[in-house]
Amino acid sequence: GEDVEQSLFLSVREGDSSVINCTYTDSSSTYLYWYKQEPGAGLQLLTYIFSNMDMKQDQRLTVLLNKKDKHLSLRIADTQTGDSAIYFCAEIPYPNDRGSTLGRLYFGRGTQLTVWP
Amino acid sequence: DTGVSQNPRHKITKRGQNVTFRCDPISEHNRLYWYRQTLGQGPEFLTYFQNEAQLEKSRLLSDRFSAERPKGSFSTLEIQRTEQGDSAMYLCASSPRAGSSNEQFFGPGTRLTVL
Repeated sequence: GEDVEQSLFLSVREGDSSVINCTYTDSSSTYLYWYKQEPGAGLQLLTYIFSNMDMKQDQRLTVLLNKKDKHLSLRIADTQTGDSAIYFCAEIPYPNDRGSTLGRLYFGRGTQLTVWP
Repeated sequence: DTGVSQNPRHKITKRGQNVTFRCDPISEHNRLYWYRQTLGQGPEFLTYFQNEAQLEKSRLLSDRFSAERPKGSFSTLEIQRTEQGDSAMYLCASSPRAGSSNEQFFGPGTRLTVL
C-alpha cells in the first residue's frame, strides 16, 4: 500500500463535485480501480479503467488517467451525503514486475470523503 | 444474494487460540483472494487461489497462517496461536476467470479481535 498514494481526507458540500486523487507506481499497470468502503463494511467496486484509456465515465463518476504522471483521479458529480465513505485507489502491476502473478491488488491508504449537508 | 459471503462476521478470541474463517465466493468465480486490513490502512494481500491451487502467498502470511480451497469453491483461512497483532479485518474477494478485467468483488469481511 505504501507505493500507491492518496490524500487522506476530503470534505465537500452536498451538491458540489468531489475529486479524489491517486498516484500509483507501476507505469505498466494494466488495470486501475476505485473502491468505496463504508464504515464496518467490505469494499464495493465502483469502477475501473484499463491503462490504454484516458477517461471513463459512468453516471456520476468520471475517472481520469494520466499515464505520464502516473496519476489517477475519481470525480463524483453532485456529491450526496450517501457518498461519505473511504475511497481506495488500487492497481494491478504488470505480471512478474514484482514477482507477482496477475491479480494481486495494491491499495492506497484510502481517502476519507465527508459530505456536509 | 449472489455476492461473496464470509463467516463469521466478528470473532473475539484470546491470545494463543486458533481461529478459522470461511469465504464463499461468487458462484463460478475461479479466483479467490484473501486480504487483511488494519485501521487506517488499505487492504494488504495475503494469498490467492486459482481453482483449488494456491498460486501466491505474501510474506505477511507467516507459518501460523494457512489457507485452503479444497474443492475450488469455498475457502478457509486458519490462524494458529493468535497474537494481538493479528487483530484486523480479514477480507475475501473473488474474480472471474483469466482474460477478464480481473474485477475483484469483496465480501463484508471478518473482524478479528485478539484479547
